[in-house]
Amino acid sequence: GQNIDQPTEMTATEGAIVQINCTYQTSGFNGLFWYQQHAGEAPTFLSYNVLDGLEEKGRFSSFLSRSKGYSYLLLKELQMKDSASYLCAVRDSDYKLSFGAGTTVTVRA
Amino acid sequence: ETGVTQTPRHLVMGMTNKKSLKCEQHLGHNAMYWYKQSAKKPLELMFVYSLEERVENNSVPSRFSPECPNSSHLFLHLHTLQPEDSALYLCASSPGLAEYNEQFFGPGTRLTVL
Repeated sequence: GQNIDQPTEMTATEGAIVQINCTYQTSGFNGLFWYQQHAGEAPTFLSYNVLDGLEEKGRFSSFLSRSKGYSYLLLKELQMKDSASYLCAVRDSDYKLSFGAGTTVTVRA
Repeated sequence: ETGVTQTPRHLVMGMTNKKSLKCEQHLGHNAMYWYKQSAKKPLELMFVYSLEERVENNSVPSRFSPECPNSSHLFLHLHTLQPEDSALYLCASSPGLAEYNEQFFGPGTRLTVL
């Protein structure tokens, strides 16, 4: 089966940086996605990594190491609106996405 | 405004009821998905349709019955559900099944089974 682990909760201060780690063990690998989900809303796409390295998109960056089965999502200059759940998802050898349980990030003033 | 809409947003039903969830995507996508999201658990893939054909039925109980009449619409028919089926049901779509295609999610239907 697929195993995707990420921390349950994280708390940080407005303006700070938070790093959400995700480790995975899957039968295949065709890319890793990060989604953001505010309470009561749809998950929205943040990033996609298929090659090793860092992808930067404004305040958000995502890193992948395929040999280590590891990714992280880096949120910089945290804002109150960044309080949400962050979902790590791995595409295995076909079209299926396997999700982690999500990390709830709380940003405090 | 998301390109994927779901109705109803909230549904309360008894175990003997029959109801249907509706999903519509306005993005011109060819693939559609049903997921179940329970509290503190990962999203679980239930069904996948590509060009109106079911390509995945992920060991879902027969009390859940999907229908995809065209590439823009997806239904989930519910009957004789159990209280443990209470969850958020999310619909998603993507341009195709290719691995780089991100999935666009709807806001979900919050289902409560009494």
